[in-house]
Amino acid sequence: DIQMTQSPSSLSASVGDRVTITCRAGQNIDIYLNWYQQQPGKAPKLLIYSASRLQSGVPSRFSGSASGTQFTLTINSLQPEDFGTYYCQQNYRTPRTFGQGTKVEIK
Amino acid sequence: QVQLQGSGPGLLKPAETLSLTCNVSGGSISGHSWTWIRQPPGKGLEWIGYIYYSGGTNYNPSFESRVTMSVDTSKNQISLKVTSVTAADTAVYFCARRIPVTVGDAFDIWGQGTMVTVSS
Repeated sequence: DIQMTQSPSSLSASVGDRVTITCRAGQNIDIYLNWYQQQPGKAPKLLIYSASRLQSGVPSRFSGSASGTQFTLTINSLQPEDFGTYYCQQNYRTPRTFGQGTKVEIK
Repeated sequence: QVQLQGSGPGLLKPAETLSLTCNVSGGSISGHSWTWIRQPPGKGLEWIGYIYYSGGTNYNPSFESRVTMSVDTSKNQISLKVTSVTAADTAVYFCARRIPVTVGDAFDIWGQGTMVTVSS
């Protein structure tokens, strides 16, 4: 299985801050990488696909990038509604695997 | 718009079979593939497998031969069965739509999740 490792596991930031979450794949996955946001008690929501493509309806303050096996999700100007846990997921190979999650709290 | 609604028994005993259904509304089940993902309480997401509307499947080997997925196009419904459950199968089970994207695929529409508890 392809291991996905996220960092940090959690973070606390203020409204308006720029937040960066990193995901590292255990092997080359090209740009077969998606990002999801999950708020407590809810289903995950697709934010970014193919490493950097913004899903329809997702605010433009969210962006994704890739460099080798390292992927980054950036939230520019954090908003109160951005709290939750963020997961990366590789779709390069089955079984599909997710990172362990990064919990974002608003200060 | 397309919506997914999962349902099924919330409490099982060890060794029983977990059976869940996911009803698709607002669109046809045909032409897409569908996935099941679970999340143990307080933990991360685990992919169980996916099924094409035509019935072809791809399962996570970690479930060995315990998992079966099926599709009923007449009911616009997909189903999941997991046999011989243990406490480790306690989780929220999500159904989701799998779509092709620029590179690869993604899960763009999710059901609300169904909590399943395995306890004697």
